[in-house]
Amino acid sequence: GNSVTQMEGPVTLSEEAFLTINCTYTATGYPSLFWYVQYPGEGLQLLLKATKADDKGSNKGFEATYRKETTSFHLEKGSVQVSDSAVYFCALRTNSGGSNYKLTFGKGTLLTVNP
Amino acid sequence: NAGVTQTPKFQVLKTGQSMTLQCAQDMNHEYMSWYRQDPGMGLRLIHYSVGAGITDQGEVPNGYNVSRSTTEDFPLRLLSAAPSQTSVYFCASSYGTGSSTEAFFGQGTRLTVV
Repeated sequence: GNSVTQMEGPVTLSEEAFLTINCTYTATGYPSLFWYVQYPGEGLQLLLKATKADDKGSNKGFEATYRKETTSFHLEKGSVQVSDSAVYFCALRTNSGGSNYKLTFGKGTLLTVNP
Repeated sequence: NAGVTQTPKFQVLKTGQSMTLQCAQDMNHEYMSWYRQDPGMGLRLIHYSVGAGITDQGEVPNGYNVSRSTTEDFPLRLLSAAPSQTSVYFCASSYGTGSSTEAFFGQGTRLTVV
């Protein structure tokens, strides 16, 4: 089956620090990979995605590269801001039919950025 | 454009009570799903629907029922609430079922069962 493993949090950084949140996956078939972000009190929003090997997704200064050889999709940002404080979820979806239409999520990583 | 709307935002139930969590989307999406979010567990799929009149079970369907009579609405029913159903519930929709399709989420319903 499909699974996503992301680094345990919480992660606490100072403003302008470099961020990496690790994500690795196992999947049957060829997955698309996603990072979703959940700000306090809100639902999840798509942050970025990549649909094939070596694709780089990017948005709001965040980046992640689809690495098939290491089955990874690590999230990075060069300089975090207080407003980036949120929970970040790595997720995948395959297209193998049936309930494989579903998104498989990691457990989430809480990021807190201090001024 | 409202997107995905969930009601209520908060709810407290007594053990054994029943209730319906509402979910509506105005994007004409065919695919809708319900997830529950528990600390340290990520999001787990409860039920999903690939179109009006078609529903199926996800990972954790026990204690929940769904129906899909229209494209817009996908209510989740708790038949007899239990403390183990205390959670945050999210409804999501997407315009297709392809692997690269983005899912749009509602703001969630925080349910406490006492």
